[in-house]
Amino acid sequence: QQPVQSPQAVILREGEDAVINCSSSKALYSVHWYRQKHGEAPVFLMILLKGGEQKGHEKISASFNEKKQQSSLYLTASQLSYSGTYFCGIRFSGTYKYIFGTGTRLKVLA
Amino acid sequence: EAGVVQSPRYKIIEKKQPVAFWCNPISGHNTLYWYLQNLGQGPELLIRYENEEAVDDSQLPKDRFSAERLKGVDSTLKIQPAELGDSAVYLCASSLSREDTQYFGPGTRLTVL
Repeated sequence: QQPVQSPQAVILREGEDAVINCSSSKALYSVHWYRQKHGEAPVFLMILLKGGEQKGHEKISASFNEKKQQSSLYLTASQLSYSGTYFCGIRFSGTYKYIFGTGTRLKVLA
Repeated sequence: EAGVVQSPRYKIIEKKQPVAFWCNPISGHNTLYWYLQNLGQGPELLIRYENEEAVDDSQLPKDRFSAERLKGVDSTLKIQPAELGDSAVYLCASSLSREDTQYFGPGTRLTVL
């Protein structure tokens, strides 16, 4: 049931773009995206509800494809501060069960 | 606005000893979560409270773990006795309701020797 994230890890240079995917085997109601730096708590980035909406947060945006049961996080013109592990947290349709994805480690180099 | 507060931040104990973690959620947040996070993995839900009621504790190992949220505000998670495999970070999170965004505390890093 745990959503699968891809890629598992990615290394970027400052200014490059990245896409992180979160795929589920079951119908989704909502997707949350979090970033966690080493030794710190996960920090909320954004939430997407079913309906295929896309949201933006500075140079970070995300989309939610209800049909494909997946969400993608887009990092544009990455900055050093974007480094960390990104997790999707999903809530399945018809339940209040909440499960985090497998995580994607992102490293931005100067 | 103060965030989720957890204490202690670090705890080292020997196996078979008891340990307790405390969490104070954001004021007004009715829903409280306890998660376990192993290194390099995503948080795994242990228990979810709505006010003082534990509404999802299906992943809580009830033979050694217990939790309480007596007045619907602060919460305590206890392990007795602790085992080597319990070494992990224990995260507390809170949200206005079960449908809202969760905000995490800094976590308690437990090491069992």
